[in-house]
Amino acid sequence: QVTLKESGPVLVKPTETLTLTCTVSGFSLSNARMGVSWIRQPPGKALEWLAHIFSNDEKSYSTSLKSRLTISKDTSKSQVVLTMTNMDPVDTATYYCARSIIEIAARPISWFDPWGQGTLVTVSS
Amino acid sequence: SYVLTQPPSVSVAPGQTARITCGGNNIGSKSVHWYQQKPGQAPVLVVYDDSDRPSGIPERFSGSNSGNTATLTISRVEAGDEADYYCQVWDSSSDHSWVFGGGTKLTVL
Repeated sequence: QVTLKESGPVLVKPTETLTLTCTVSGFSLSNARMGVSWIRQPPGKALEWLAHIFSNDEKSYSTSLKSRLTISKDTSKSQVVLTMTNMDPVDTATYYCARSIIEIAARPISWFDPWGQGTLVTVSS
Repeated sequence: SYVLTQPPSVSVAPGQTARITCGGNNIGSKSVHWYQQKPGQAPVLVVYDDSDRPSGIPERFSGSNSGNTATLTISRVEAGDEADYYCQVWDSSSDHSWVFGGGTKLTVL
């Protein structure tokens, strides 16, 4: 059974750096067909993709947030870490990690399954 | 960056068919995936690669994709299908980015 679980602070102050950890089980972070993404959802709003890490350690970031994000992984610990600098109240959201399945056949495709339960992070002084 | 457009809301009576659209420039050339999200829960994959269903998802959920529109179809809608639905594609060119639509609230009347 594949599971992912997010952990980190529930409350951060403006200008602080957020560090979130995603602990996975049931698959390996070195599996070439899989990766892990971080996705967030402000209260009452839509999903927003943030960052992704591939099995070969290649990283991708949302263009709009690239300067503030860093994603990394520790394969031996089955953990993926996301840091986001200079937090602001507009960054208040539920942060999810999700396993990505990647297939390069007739056309490259990638979807998320499963997702972690999510962790609500509030930015407030 | 690639943009996906969904209607904010769709309403349907129980037993009827719901169709939720996802618009994008030449989206028919991309692979589209759909997620269901109920209040307070994480999203769940219901359709991947335009029209395939993960194990455990009822056959009532189906998908199609052509031209500039992808569609999630839910047949014989049940009260338990009331949720937010999101479409998603992967733009594997340049920087590799994953894109979500704005979401559609399905209301079962």
